[in-house]
Amino acid sequence: RKEVEQDPGPFNVPEGATVAFNCTYSNSASQSFFWYRQDCRKEPKLLMSVYSSGNEDGRFTAQLNRASQYISLLIRDSKLSDSATYLCVVNKGDTSGTYKYIFGTGTRLKVLA
Amino acid sequence: DAGVIQSPRHEVTEMGQEVTLRCKPISGHNSLFWYRQTMMRGLELLIYFNNNVPIDDSGMPEDRFSAKMPNASFSTLKIQPSEPRDSAVYFCASSIGQGAPEAFFGQGTRLTVV
Repeated sequence: RKEVEQDPGPFNVPEGATVAFNCTYSNSASQSFFWYRQDCRKEPKLLMSVYSSGNEDGRFTAQLNRASQYISLLIRDSKLSDSATYLCVVNKGDTSGTYKYIFGTGTRLKVLA
Repeated sequence: DAGVIQSPRHEVTEMGQEVTLRCKPISGHNSLFWYRQTMMRGLELLIYFNNNVPIDDSGMPEDRFSAKMPNASFSTLKIQPSEPRDSAVYFCASSIGQGAPEAFFGQGTRLTVV
């Protein structure tokens, strides 16, 4: 089983739609969680961190369910510019104090005009 | 501020040749990560360093791959000899290393082995 699993999509949605992605992780000792965005032929960039209480940044809402070991990303009022691959990232500390970032394979989103 | 800098951006080489990828992390960042990205396998963590010391190289696919970090501002990933299946985008990332912060990525090196 992969440490971090995501539905690869693609999700094709019309502009203005609401779309949600889920991600599951296998290591219950995971300590922090992120959503990264990756545009075609570009490097991944942080979209938002995911906090235990859930957090919102404009049209984006992230939630964490530790009991079920999944995180989610909700995008409201989708824009054409939201078209990208969304990567779920799980972070676990090790005995050296270093945090190891494990990425899911990503979910492709295409917002259609 | 300069981000993570990788070179070269593109590399085309013949099978059997040695390839060296370079990375300069963000100044002040203590952790450095090498990833490989392919369509089939996504982003795979190859190796990571903390304070220039390799912590976990379990993701390095074979002995043909090696990585070094001689100082806090430079790291290399070497493939010798290269094979066509090594073709991928190789990303370097760095983070502060304390407190589970975000990782910042370089623009990547697109490697093609023919």
